[in-house]
Amino acid sequence: AQKVTQAQTEISVVEKEDVTLDCVYETRDTTYYLFWYKQPPSGELVFLIRRNSFDEQNEISGRYSWNFQKSTSSFNFTITASQVVDSAVYFCALSEAPGYNNNDMRFGAGTRLTVKP
Amino acid sequence: NAGVTQTPKFRILKIGQSMTLQCTQDMNHNYMYWYRQDPGMGLKLIYYSVGAGITDKGEVPNGYNVSRSTTEDFPLRLELAAPSQTSVYFCASSYSSNEQFFGPGTRLTVL
Repeated sequence: AQKVTQAQTEISVVEKEDVTLDCVYETRDTTYYLFWYKQPPSGELVFLIRRNSFDEQNEISGRYSWNFQKSTSSFNFTITASQVVDSAVYFCALSEAPGYNNNDMRFGAGTRLTVKP
Repeated sequence: NAGVTQTPKFRILKIGQSMTLQCTQDMNHNYMYWYRQDPGMGLKLIYYSVGAGITDKGEVPNGYNVSRSTTEDFPLRLELAAPSQTSVYFCASSYSSNEQFFGPGTRLTVL
């Protein structure tokens, strides 16, 4: 069965620092999808990125970047020049072999990021 | 588009009571999901559906039931509420394996 581990429970940084959130996953499938979601203090869940298992290219979106390494089963998320508005809980998630009657998604426990001014 | 809507936003139940959490999406997504999020924890999948008339169990289905009679609606039923079901419940929808869009959540307390 699939599993997602976010070993960092809480991280606290000062504004403008860079911060990396770790995500390690386990799966027996060769086809799978990885996701990152943000949950700000207001409680809603905001989609950040989706990556399929065949695409190991790193991705950058503004101050956000993601490093996917199949060799270490990791999908880490870096925020450059962090801002107070980045304070939230960030979840990594894994969906195995998506398709008919099999779309089970597993979330990590989340990392609470606090960015202090 | 309203996206994914959930009702009610808050509810307090007594042990043994039953209730239905409503979820509706207007994006014509085929996949829908129910999650629960306990305090300080990640989301756990309760049930999901890949289309009208098709549902399947997730990681923590015990104590819940679902139905999917239309593409738009995916209600979650609690038959005999227990304190262990105190949680925040999120409904989500997606088109196939693409990103899931989440509703605002229902905060349920069972006393």
